[in-house]
Amino acid sequence: EAGVAQSPRYKIIEKRQSVAFWCNPISGHATLYWYQQILGQGPKLLIQFQNNGVVDDSQLPKDRFSAERLKGVDSTLKIQPAKLEDSAVYLCASSLTRGTGGLDEQFFGPGTRLTVL
Amino acid sequence: QKEVEQDPGPLSVPEGAIVSLNCTYSNSAFQYFMWYRQYSRKGPELLMYTYSSGNKEDGRFTAQVDKSSKYISLFIRDSQPSDSATYLCAMTPGNNRLAFGKGNQVVVIP
Repeated sequence: EAGVAQSPRYKIIEKRQSVAFWCNPISGHATLYWYQQILGQGPKLLIQFQNNGVVDDSQLPKDRFSAERLKGVDSTLKIQPAKLEDSAVYLCASSLTRGTGGLDEQFFGPGTRLTVL
Repeated sequence: QKEVEQDPGPLSVPEGAIVSLNCTYSNSAFQYFMWYRQYSRKGPELLMYTYSSGNKEDGRFTAQVDKSSKYISLFIRDSQPSDSATYLCAMTPGNNRLAFGKGNQVVVIP
């Protein structure tokens, strides 16, 4: 079974520029997550989609970050304009979400490492 | 007070030693307690999880949860150089919203 795919793996931009990240979840997974992991910290949830609807975007800085999940499959996360403090690894994860109870395991992609200069 | 506290200090141990990691938390609603392993330049992968209080063993790994103390632990017996990674605790009430600790970088020295 193929894992969660993300691209690009690395990106270097200057502050005030824009950047976009792409995620392809595991086939059949209904829920998709974007996390921000700053160096030395645990991942922080930015946004959660179930199919193509937003479930939780309470920690997304909406003045500069946006995300969409068209047709309930792939997703893109955009930052415009970028700030120095946005330097981090952006992780995408997906989960099956059967709705039958129990842990809905999240599977993570390798992440995109963003450096803002 | 942060929801999940994990002392982020690095840990270096000789091969074969026991590694002990722990986290504390403040949210009584947490029901699932997880340990993720993250190798350098990779995403986290679920190592093991426990539902509610109790112990769980999987090979050389043991997870313990004490809900009365809001304290969870991970033990790695007979540590190997391949165990060198960052270990993150994570918790959720069951709604998929994970709260992570900061992680511990573990280095097992051959």
